[in-house]
Amino acid sequence: SQQGEEDPQALSIQEGENATMNCSYKTSINNLQWYRQNSGRGLVHLILIRSNEREKHSGRLRVTLDTSKKSSSLLITASRAADTASYFCATDAGTYKYIFGTGTRLKVLA
Amino acid sequence: DADVTQTPRNRITKTGKRIMLECSQTKGHDRMYWYRQDPGLGLRLIYYSFDVKDINKGEISDGYSVSRQAQAKFSLSLESAIPNQTALYFCATSDTSTRRGNGYTFGSGTRLTVV
Repeated sequence: SQQGEEDPQALSIQEGENATMNCSYKTSINNLQWYRQNSGRGLVHLILIRSNEREKHSGRLRVTLDTSKKSSSLLITASRAADTASYFCATDAGTYKYIFGTGTRLKVLA
Repeated sequence: DADVTQTPRNRITKTGKRIMLECSQTKGHDRMYWYRQDPGLGLRLIYYSFDVKDINKGEISDGYSVSRQAQAKFSLSLESAIPNQTALYFCATSDTSTRRGNGYTFGSGTRLTVV
């Protein structure tokens, strides 16, 4: 069964707009990661946030974590056409065995 | 060369055939994983190995087996392929530096079709 569920399943925005996608999970975690996948290719690690952290930034990416609500969000600011991809959250309960969500398909229109 | 190499990239096989997917890595990571991706289901863990002598089942191991031939090599076998094993298969690696935020390194995937 899936641990993480991303929301929305699909998102379409204009270039320059911000994109926000959410991840909800079921059990307590040690950390949560976000990955990007371009068109059926391998996933690329974007950012990791630990359970004792509330927010992390990496370039145009901002990730928040609310452990009380068992949820995380990924914000991509000033989106570009090259950001078009699927985005997945992955959670680790302390075993270094990550469980992935079902993903959000982001389309950025030029 | 890619850090994590999967072969073959694409494969069509017949029902009942045995097939092996191979994964090799140059990252020096001790942990290796096999995931399967189906549309709408995300990635699901098949097997994982934390070192050469350690093999563990994931959430969907039935119909699959693995072999960790060396730290750098982790192969996945379908003993008797069936059509619902048609999927995109990914190998991934990690090490304890996950603690420092490095995450998994994925291969480019093997697209398997069972007819």
